[in-house]
Amino acid sequence: LAKTTQPISMDSYEGQEVNITCSHNNIATNDYITWYQQFPSQGPRFIIQGYKTKVTNEVASLFIPADRKSSTLSLPRVSLSDTAVYYCLVGDKQLFSGSARQLTFGSGTQLTVLP
Amino acid sequence: DTAVSQTPKYLVTQMGNDKSIKCEQNLGHDTMYWYKQDSKKFLKIMFSYNNKELIINETVPNRFSPKSPDKAHLNLHINSLELGDSAVYFCASSHPRTYTDTQYFGPGTRLTVL
Repeated sequence: LAKTTQPISMDSYEGQEVNITCSHNNIATNDYITWYQQFPSQGPRFIIQGYKTKVTNEVASLFIPADRKSSTLSLPRVSLSDTAVYYCLVGDKQLFSGSARQLTFGSGTQLTVLP
Repeated sequence: DTAVSQTPKYLVTQMGNDKSIKCEQNLGHDTMYWYKQDSKKFLKIMFSYNNKELIINETVPNRFSPKSPDKAHLNLHINSLELGDSAVYFCASSHPRTYTDTQYFGPGTRLTVL
């Protein structure tokens, strides 16, 4: 099972692009990479998911290099309201079986956007 | 039109008491989950049910017992509460039951054990 490592915290200023990197050296062939966002006093919310190369939606972009041992969540022109904890998950599309460690979100990255 | 709802939002109780947290989803999903988030934001799966059947049961004390009366509800009962049970508990749901499918989370229940 792939274990993920993220920075504990990051600071940025309004209007800047923010890149949060997640390391997953043991990622398996069938694993996908998913990012969630959690605002204070709320539950996590899905942001983006990808398998390789680049994925973009209205909220963020996800960059995955060819070896897939890491991924980078990119938030363009952040605002104060992007202050949140960002979680990286790695898991495959198989039905739940055995341990559910793939569903452990870890501690995430606390992004603080400053004015 | 809340998708996943939990009650209560806050729960303050004494050590040794028994308490329950309720969760309901109106998304038509088959799979529901309970997560525990500690003070350091570490979010970990506890249980998962699919169509009222328990499919994930992580290493959780026997004092925690989930109950799913139907696929739209998943309640969490905790016996003999301990100080270490203080945390935020999140309920979530998803349609299929795989590791990659999007989960929809409730607002959380902050449990404080005194």
